[in-house]
Amino acid sequence: EAQVTQNPRYLITVTGKKLTVTCSQNMNHEYMSWYRQDPGLGLRQIYYSMNVEVTDKGDVPEGYKVSRKEKRNFPLILESPSPNQTSLYFCASSQTGGAYGYTFGSGTRLTVV
Amino acid sequence: AQSVTQLGSHVSVSEGALVLLRCNYSSSVPPYLFWYVQYPNQGLQLLLKYTTGATLVKGINGFEAEFKKSETSFHLTKPSAHMSDAAEYFCAVSSGGYQKVTFGTGTKLQVIP
Repeated sequence: EAQVTQNPRYLITVTGKKLTVTCSQNMNHEYMSWYRQDPGLGLRQIYYSMNVEVTDKGDVPEGYKVSRKEKRNFPLILESPSPNQTSLYFCASSQTGGAYGYTFGSGTRLTVV
Repeated sequence: AQSVTQLGSHVSVSEGALVLLRCNYSSSVPPYLFWYVQYPNQGLQLLLKYTTGATLVKGINGFEAEFKKSETSFHLTKPSAHMSDAAEYFCAVSSGGYQKVTFGTGTKLQVIP
């Protein structure tokens, strides 16, 4: 089954404790992206990647890092999480950018206390 | 620059009634337009998209949307609401290819029995 898999689904952590949210897709998509969803703000792009070793900032990249060492994986790293990063996070992939429609993961609900 | 405005953060309809979710966009180039649906505790799922060609686009679950360039609109409709349509709906716009996808803030649809 074609899918984007995110882990974990739920995560509660403390301020300053580094964490990684994993994302993997099995569709051989070139393009992958991370979004955060907050009430009343819709989805905002954090980072995106057009291919292996090619990443760039989205609208809200502060406090986040990403890497794309393999085509299928695109982890999101929070080196020193803060409470304002409490949010619902989605990974998405597409064959050639979002213009043809994304496939989204099921989401990761992160709470930073 | 591009943007999306979804009119109404919450819409309630009776089961069997017409569903109309409004979306207006702003784009300096011919847009690619999308509607996504998000069921509770799930990721977003592509409902339908407009790229070029026919302005009336049919999607899954009986939904359709019409691209109206003169009105810069892409409203989502369904003739008869089902209880299973209760979800949050997001309109999105892109300039194509690897260009950024901008999402609206979402409309929560409630279906009343």
